[in-house]
Amino acid sequence: SQKIEQNSEALNIQEGKTATLTCNYTNYSPAYLQWYRQDPGRGPVFLLLIRENEKEKRKERLKVTFDTTLKQSLFHITASQPADSATYLCALLGFGGATNKLIFGTGTLLAVQP
Amino acid sequence: EPEVTQTPSHQVTQMGQEVILRCVPISNHLYFYWYRQILGQKVEFLVSFYNNEISEKSEIFDDQFSVERPDGSNFTLKIRSTKLEDSAMYFCASSVVYGNKNIQYFGAGTRLSVL
Repeated sequence: SQKIEQNSEALNIQEGKTATLTCNYTNYSPAYLQWYRQDPGRGPVFLLLIRENEKEKRKERLKVTFDTTLKQSLFHITASQPADSATYLCALLGFGGATNKLIFGTGTLLAVQP
Repeated sequence: EPEVTQTPSHQVTQMGQEVILRCVPISNHLYFYWYRQILGQKVEFLVSFYNNEISEKSEIFDDQFSVERPDGSNFTLKIRSTKLEDSAMYFCASSVVYGNKNIQYFGAGTRLSVL
């Protein structure tokens, strides 16, 4: 079955630095990959989508890369701020034809220290 | 900005009782979903719904679960006889799907506590 792995340990960085989060997947080749943000006790909030034929996608201070050979996506937050502290989730569409099911990774908790 | 709304935010129930979790998806969206997240675990898919019927469901979504769109705006998840292990955050989501681009917008969730 499909497996999505994210850094299981929390990532602590200083304000102003770049945070880099990793998402690795196995067992299939998704057409695209998504990143969501989740705050404690809240639902996931969509951030960025990147397609398999796109190497990189940017939105303000966010950047996502997608390497289908390595089966990996990297998520970067530049000039990080304490308000960026949250759990970041990687998600793929489920395998097997016509499906709208999202499969999520366990998420990486980011803590930005002032 | 349009958003998915869920009620109640917290539901406490006794084991064996029925609960109904309610959602109002974004108005022009066509696809609706329920996910759940047990404390400390990943977000898991339960069911998707399109054109007034279930389009896909997971192994978790057994006969104790049902979904309904009773009118033009609400989307509900019913658990007939709750078990302790049903305690979790339940998230409703909706999307407009075109081509392969499926961005799902999530509500804030309902925390279900089964005692």
